[in-house]
Amino acid sequence: DQQVKQNSPSLSVQEGRISILNCDYTNSMFDYFLWYKKYPAEGPTFLISISSIKDKNEDGRFTVFLNKSAKHLSLHIVPSQPGDSAVYFCAASARNRGSTLGRLYFGRGTQLTVWP
Amino acid sequence: DAGITQSPRYKITETGRQVTLMCHQTWSHSYMFWYRQDLGHGLRLIYYSAAADITDKGEVPDGYVVSRSKTENFPLTLESATRSQTSVYFCASSISPTNYGYTFGSGTRLTVV
Repeated sequence: DQQVKQNSPSLSVQEGRISILNCDYTNSMFDYFLWYKKYPAEGPTFLISISSIKDKNEDGRFTVFLNKSAKHLSLHIVPSQPGDSAVYFCAASARNRGSTLGRLYFGRGTQLTVWP
Repeated sequence: DAGITQSPRYKITETGRQVTLMCHQTWSHSYMFWYRQDLGHGLRLIYYSAAADITDKGEVPDGYVVSRSKTENFPLTLESATRSQTSVYFCASSISPTNYGYTFGSGTRLTVV
């Protein structure tokens, strides 16, 4: 059962415009959320995270928004650049879940293509 | 070199053979993980480890074996490779997954023929 869902397998955006990648989760125990970016033939790399005590976190062109009541988060990239073309994975964890080993739960990823 | 390294980067093996994928990290992170990435499935957890000699199954452990005798190494063994195990395998480590996430290796592309 997929606890973290990325319902859009792909997104295509023109350079300079905003990219919005979405992620939904089902487990109300999740309280820490991350986005990873993955280029072909490389491992995923950490991009940005947000704790459940916040509803927004910004890092340069990247902003993550968290809507706890809707169990939804989104990643905004403004302005989008061709170098942003990659697969983006959403991930979540439950810090106070006790018996688990602190694992992250990943969505299936969204392929972002930024065209000139 | 500091970091997390996987070897080999590419491997072709025959059905029924045993193959071991290596993962080594230099940070002394307690936590280590093995994932496989397949089209349409994203990243699926195979096995994970919270410390040396402590391992547990993830979502798709069948056909795989792990060991963690030393903190820095976390090898993944396919006991008798099958074509369905053709995939890209990623190792990851973390000092605290729920606070800092993971750092991933570059992956091993395994083809079973």
